[in-house]
Amino acid sequence: DTAVSQTPKYLVTQMGNDKSIKCEQNLGHDTMYWYKQDSKKFLKIMFSYNNKELIINETVPNRFSPKSPDKAHLNLHINSLELGDSAVYFCASSQVGVSGNTIYFGEGSWLTVV
Amino acid sequence: KQEVTQIPAALSVPEGENLVLNCSFTDSAIYNLQWFRQDPGKGLTSLLLIQSSQREQTSGRLNASLDKSSGRSTLYIAASQPGDSATYLCAVRSGTASKLTFGTGTRLQVTL
Repeated sequence: DTAVSQTPKYLVTQMGNDKSIKCEQNLGHDTMYWYKQDSKKFLKIMFSYNNKELIINETVPNRFSPKSPDKAHLNLHINSLELGDSAVYFCASSQVGVSGNTIYFGEGSWLTVV
Repeated sequence: KQEVTQIPAALSVPEGENLVLNCSFTDSAIYNLQWFRQDPGKGLTSLLLIQSSQREQTSGRLNASLDKSSGRSTLYIAASQPGDSATYLCAVRSGTASKLTFGTGTRLQVTL
């Protein structure tokens, strides 16, 4: 009954590979996000989707491509992985007007590029 | 551009002490402010959310205050316990895209 779930939790891959991280929320929220937490633990937004429409796209290399097949899913695909992509990636969701727009996070996906 | 700062970066206190964590933000035009807790190797857990029209919120031993005009929020933890050890993050929602901007976090250690 996890509210926001993302897979895989851990991912070790070589430079140059393409990988995807999947996210699903069962809260019925309209808005989903991807955040990146770097080695200094700073959490920064990458993308935000509202009703499958991209509304926030921060300065992220175009090797990162979010895909939202429906309101409950927001997947992150990364092409040509680089060492600097190593980080923890968090998926989250929220709903305007529900619990004051509280945002709920997944457990994170630890990506290590070697 | 909204910037959020938290001080101190790290704090160690003995069990039972009351403590205050600080959060400041540069753009006072916010929708709300949220405090989170992050345990090592885990995701973020929402603790308290304060709407821009509110001054404080309480949940158990936690009390969060908001002074929007001065761009500050505090998280007060009463009678701290070792289980409170974690990193505490504040985040403000602001801007036309209603973006959530996170602070740098305060790493709290409560010792026996």
